[in-house]
Amino acid sequence: DTAVSQTPKYLVTQMGNDKSIKCEQNLGHDTMYWYKQDSKKFLKIMFSYNNKELIINETVPNRFSPKSPDKAHLNLHINSLELGDSAVYFCASSQLGGKETQYFGPGTRLLVL
Amino acid sequence: RKEVEQDPGPFNVPEGATVAFNCTYSNSASQSFFWYRQDCRKEPKLLMSVYSSGNEDGRFTAQLNRASQYISLLIRDSKLSDSATYLCVVNIKNTGFQKLVFGTGTRLLVSP
Repeated sequence: DTAVSQTPKYLVTQMGNDKSIKCEQNLGHDTMYWYKQDSKKFLKIMFSYNNKELIINETVPNRFSPKSPDKAHLNLHINSLELGDSAVYFCASSQLGGKETQYFGPGTRLLVL
Repeated sequence: RKEVEQDPGPFNVPEGATVAFNCTYSNSASQSFFWYRQDCRKEPKLLMSVYSSGNEDGRFTAQLNRASQYISLLIRDSKLSDSATYLCVVNIKNTGFQKLVFGTGTRLLVSP
């Protein structure tokens, strides 16, 4: 019974392509997040959604567009992929807002060639 | 000054040793504090929350010093399975919304 799941687990693609990552949580949480962990292992928040509403956008390039069709799902679409987008992207969720314990998905390893 | 700072390590210790990690944070208004553990090529997982009075969970003890703005994690009787990266996590309020900020982590290697 996976609490936070992401697909795909691995994504290898060419520069300039558009790709999407999907995330689902079955914890009944109200808040979901996208994080990026770069090659130096620094984990940084990108977006936060509360009950389908965007509440945090950490000055991420507008090539990244999150979408939350319902509070259990938060997808991430990336346009015109660049080499620097290569990283591990983690989805997370928490019961309430951003000071609560967060539960992470297994991550999506994106490699842009 | 970084929002959350940790010594990246690695800390190399033998099994059975006691090891301590420290972390400092810059925002004096922070209210929530955590230690997460991240194994190689895995997602971060909550190890323990950190409470003002300090708290213990088995071999793990967490302390918070609000005056000095630092958090510590003590691991007693280290096991091989404790080898991982330990992330110090602090909440920060930004433009009206709370978010968690993760340190870059301290790597622990426990050897036989």
